[in-house]
Amino acid sequence: DTGVSQNPRHKITKRGQNVTFRCDPISEHNRLYWYRQTLGQGPEFLTYFQNEAQLEKSRLLSDRFSAERPKGSFSTLEIQRTEQGDSAMYLCASSRQGGYNEQFFGPGTRLTVL
Amino acid sequence: GEDVEQSLFLSVREGDSSVINCTYTDSSSTYLYWYKQEPGAGLQLLTYIFSNMDMKQDQRLTVLLNKKDKHLSLRIADTQTGDSAIYFCAESMVSGNQFYFGTGTSLTVIP
Repeated sequence: DTGVSQNPRHKITKRGQNVTFRCDPISEHNRLYWYRQTLGQGPEFLTYFQNEAQLEKSRLLSDRFSAERPKGSFSTLEIQRTEQGDSAMYLCASSRQGGYNEQFFGPGTRLTVL
Repeated sequence: GEDVEQSLFLSVREGDSSVINCTYTDSSSTYLYWYKQEPGAGLQLLTYIFSNMDMKQDQRLTVLLNKKDKHLSLRIADTQTGDSAIYFCAESMVSGNQFYFGTGTSLTVIP
């Protein structure tokens, strides 16, 4: 297993456009998390899936953001009508349920909104 | 559980010990973690401590937890230039549903 992968690695878009990111977790991990990280800050929790169920959403997640994990494997994060303030690194992590919940992070998708 | 604070910068000489501090606010945290982020790389878990423990040692790393003061620290013994990175503390709740990271401490090791 090569770990958590994310695509694309970079995305540049114009304000108002929609973007979609994909995360492929480690195959036996049933938990999947999305975070946003801006320069000089730690990752901010956005949302969490256990299998295909979205169990938690941060109040930071506006209505323009939606995440899915239809078959309990890969996940997508869509941002509609992007704004310049959405520019950030979007990180995905996965973990196994139980134990100490070690999260394995992907390399992230860097979004730049012009 | 959303206010996890760290000092922003730390500079040490190679071979000295580094101590990175973190304060958190949610007493219901179950696990507390230290992650390392190197430039251009993803976050890597260094170590963790369960909330009913006071101390954990893992090779050059020592984690101290003071639950009363909600204070967590990471000590790196014999700091090397390869330890230069940003270090994040994080806490998770018992359900594992939420995970909160600190602001990160940038460690610079001077040769």
